[in-house]
Amino acid sequence: EAQVTQNPRYLITVTGKKLTVTCSQNMNHEYMSWYRQDPGLGLRQIYYSMNVEVTDKGDVPEGYKVSRKEKRNFPLILESPSPNQTSLYFCASYSGGLVNEQFFGPGTRLTVL
Amino acid sequence: LAKTTQPISMDSYEGQEVNITCSHNNIATNDYITWYQQFPSQGPRFIIQGYKTKVTNEVASLFIPADRKSSTLSLPRVSLSDTAVYYCLVDPDTGRRALTFGSGTRLQVQP
Repeated sequence: EAQVTQNPRYLITVTGKKLTVTCSQNMNHEYMSWYRQDPGLGLRQIYYSMNVEVTDKGDVPEGYKVSRKEKRNFPLILESPSPNQTSLYFCASYSGGLVNEQFFGPGTRLTVL
Repeated sequence: LAKTTQPISMDSYEGQEVNITCSHNNIATNDYITWYQQFPSQGPRFIIQGYKTKVTNEVASLFIPADRKSSTLSLPRVSLSDTAVYYCLVDPDTGRRALTFGSGTRLQVQP
């Protein structure tokens, strides 16, 4: 089954404790992206990657890092989480074709205390 | 980036056709119109994308007038499982392909 998986699905942590949210897709998509969803603000892109070893900032990259060492994986790293990073995070992938059909993961709900 | 405006919420009954209209007055020549659906605690799911006139797939139809300043998503014969938030997006055909989601339209389907 074609899918995007994220782990963990839920995470409660404390300020300053480094964490990684993993994302993996099995569709051989070149393009992957991270979004965060906050009430009243919609989904905002954090980082994206157009291929292995190619990453770039989205609209809200501050406080986040990413890496793309393999095509299927695109982890999101919070080196020193802060309470304003409490949010619902989604990873997405897409093939790069004309139709921008992005496949989203199930989401990771992060709470930073 | 072109801003979209759509109704905050809509109500319908099972079996009815639902039309959700979105306005995007500042749409650019290269922009596509894309609709996504999102259920609570799930990631958005692509429904349909179009550039002009009419596009139909197995789930929905998308009507775009000649001036492209608005679009209408049509869901035929909705069921309870269509209760969700529907987002209209203007998608610039650029490399970043970032999706900018607004507040969407919350559709409630009643039995």
